[in-house]
Amino acid sequence: TQLLEQSPQFLSIQEGENLTVYCNSSSVFSSLQWYRQEPGEGPVLLVTVVTGGEVKKLKRLTFQFGDARKDSSLHITAAQPGDTGLYLCAGKNTGTASKLTFGTGTRLQVTL
Amino acid sequence: NAGVMQNPRHLVRRRGQEARLRCSPMKGHSHVYWYRQLPEEGLKFMVYLQKENIIDESGMPKERFSAEFPKEGPSILRIQQVVRGDSAAYFCASSLVQGTDTQYFGPGTRLTVL
Repeated sequence: TQLLEQSPQFLSIQEGENLTVYCNSSSVFSSLQWYRQEPGEGPVLLVTVVTGGEVKKLKRLTFQFGDARKDSSLHITAAQPGDTGLYLCAGKNTGTASKLTFGTGTRLQVTL
Repeated sequence: NAGVMQNPRHLVRRRGQEARLRCSPMKGHSHVYWYRQLPEEGLKFMVYLQKENIIDESGMPKERFSAEFPKEGPSILRIQQVVRGDSAAYFCASSLVQGTDTQYFGPGTRLTVL
């Protein structure tokens, strides 16, 4: 069974601080997605990374896919209260390219 | 362009009853995926369907759970004889094509079993 471990599990920071969320696995993934989920809603896709070593930026969010395609990180610069939510990484493996394997999640709270 | 729609948003059932969860994919999407999220946990894959076909049901419990995606109408996830452990949020996602295509998620159905 593939596992995606995220760390930290919980993170509470003040507005303006920087943070990094990690997503690690012993398995290789063909692609990896990052989602954000608000309470009572479904996950919303933030980014997809496909190539080992790939870096993508989305405003204050920077996503990196590990060289071996086993891990990924999400870095948020100058966090804002609107960034509050549950961040989930999800991978597609090379064998079964359709289903997503989700990480354990990182719950972020940004306060004023 | 409407997104993935799920209904009902909330469903309460007593132990032993049946639960039917519906999912209408995005317009033009013919691939549907069902995931379950237990409280304070990540999402777990259940089943992947195309029109009239079950492609991958490796995440479905062996008993009481079934899914279909008919030629016409929404995809249905059916849970027979519900138990308290079935209480969870059930999410549907759809994609235009399989493989590396993006999956778009619906708002989920929150099932509570009393």
